[in-house]
Amino acid sequence: DVKVTQSSRYLVKRTGEKVFLECVQDMDHENMFWYRQDPGLGLRLIYFSYDVKMKEKGDIPEGYSVSREKKERFSLILESASTNQTSMYLCASSLSGGSHYEQYFGPGTRLTVT
Amino acid sequence: SQKIEQNSEALNIQEGKTATLTCNYTNYSPAYLQWYRQDPGRGPVFLLLIRENEKEKRKERLKVTFDTTLKQSLFHITASQPADSATYLCALRGTGGFKTIFGAGTRLFVKA
Repeated sequence: DVKVTQSSRYLVKRTGEKVFLECVQDMDHENMFWYRQDPGLGLRLIYFSYDVKMKEKGDIPEGYSVSREKKERFSLILESASTNQTSMYLCASSLSGGSHYEQYFGPGTRLTVT
Repeated sequence: SQKIEQNSEALNIQEGKTATLTCNYTNYSPAYLQWYRQDPGRGPVFLLLIRENEKEKRKERLKVTFDTTLKQSLFHITASQPADSATYLCALRGTGGFKTIFGAGTRLFVKA
């Protein structure tokens, strides 16, 4: 079974803090993703990585950065947290080589910025 | 811009009936369409994939149709059970690139 784990289920941070969200997958997947999920808006892609040290911007990268130093780990960084970044953050991974491959999601981190 | 529409209103049905959820899309020609299930406070879980050249796909009590002319997919759960209560997300992929577009999901409640 593919397992995607995220470092925290719930997180409360103050405005202006630097926030790190960690994601680890154990199935040797090449692709990893960070999404945020807000009511009525669906999942929106923040960043994507298709290999170690490689990254691509998604639809809403502003205010975020990512790091992928090891294949199994993909980190999302909020450089200076703001209240509009309060959301559910979901990490996912998938195989590469075919667009039909499904994504495996972690349990999510509910981040509140006060 | 590319857009996916799923019914934002919750669907309430009686146990044993067939639940039908709709996914409509515009300004996109997906090669693959996926359905995911999401329980409250959890990440989505993949259920089914259907390709653009397939009209219908089945898996146990689940059935998905894909009409590229109507730009619509229907997701059916037959003999529904209270355990089927969840949010169901539709997702589209093209043949290239990495991007999957997700709908906002439809909440399904199955009453015993």
